[in-house]
Amino acid sequence: AQSVSQHNHHVILSEAASLELGCNYSYGGTVNLFWYVQYPGQHLQLLLKYFSGDPLVKGIKGFEAEFIKSKFSFNLRKPSVQWSDTAEYFCAVNPSGAGSYQLTFGKGTKLSVIP
Amino acid sequence: GAGVSQSPSNKVTEKGKDVELRCDPISGHTALYWYRQSLGQGLEFLIYFQGNSAPDKSGLPSDRFSAERTGGSVSTLTIQRTQQEDSAVYLCASSAGTSSYNEQFFGPGTRLTVL
Repeated sequence: AQSVSQHNHHVILSEAASLELGCNYSYGGTVNLFWYVQYPGQHLQLLLKYFSGDPLVKGIKGFEAEFIKSKFSFNLRKPSVQWSDTAEYFCAVNPSGAGSYQLTFGKGTKLSVIP
Repeated sequence: GAGVSQSPSNKVTEKGKDVELRCDPISGHTALYWYRQSLGQGLEFLIYFQGNSAPDKSGLPSDRFSAERTGGSVSTLTIQRTQQEDSAVYLCASSAGTSSYNEQFFGPGTRLTVL
């Protein structure tokens, strides 16, 4: 079975600071990788995803993530955060292919951006 | 179009009572998932429905938990004889297919508190 580790429980940044949230997964085969975001009072929504190809993927709102296969990592980055990025961020994986629908999530990282 | 909806948004119950949580998936989505988010934990997979196929119940934590999906649309998650450890946010998601490449769209969740 796969597992996901998010290293930071709570990150506090000032506006315009750069962001990197760590995510490592454990699985012996090929995986799909996702970052979901949950803004305060809102439902979980997809930020970006990686299936194959270019390991650097770009998502909404200026976020990007890089898949490093040798490190089993999929870290989320943003060059300059805004107050509106305050949210909880979840990394998730599932095995690639048909019938592999179950997402395994990390415990989440809460990001607080101070104006 | 309308997203995934869940009701109630909040439910407070006494230990030992039964509760029913409802999920309306996005119209046309054949796959439906239930997840549980406990305090400080990531999302935990509970159960999955796809069309008329037998559901994948592998994530249900005990036999007090059950779910059904009527007419391939609305789903109800039932927890019998609730315990305090059942307190969590219960999230429903739907997707257009069963492949691992199909994005799962999440509802706002039902926050269950067992006193």
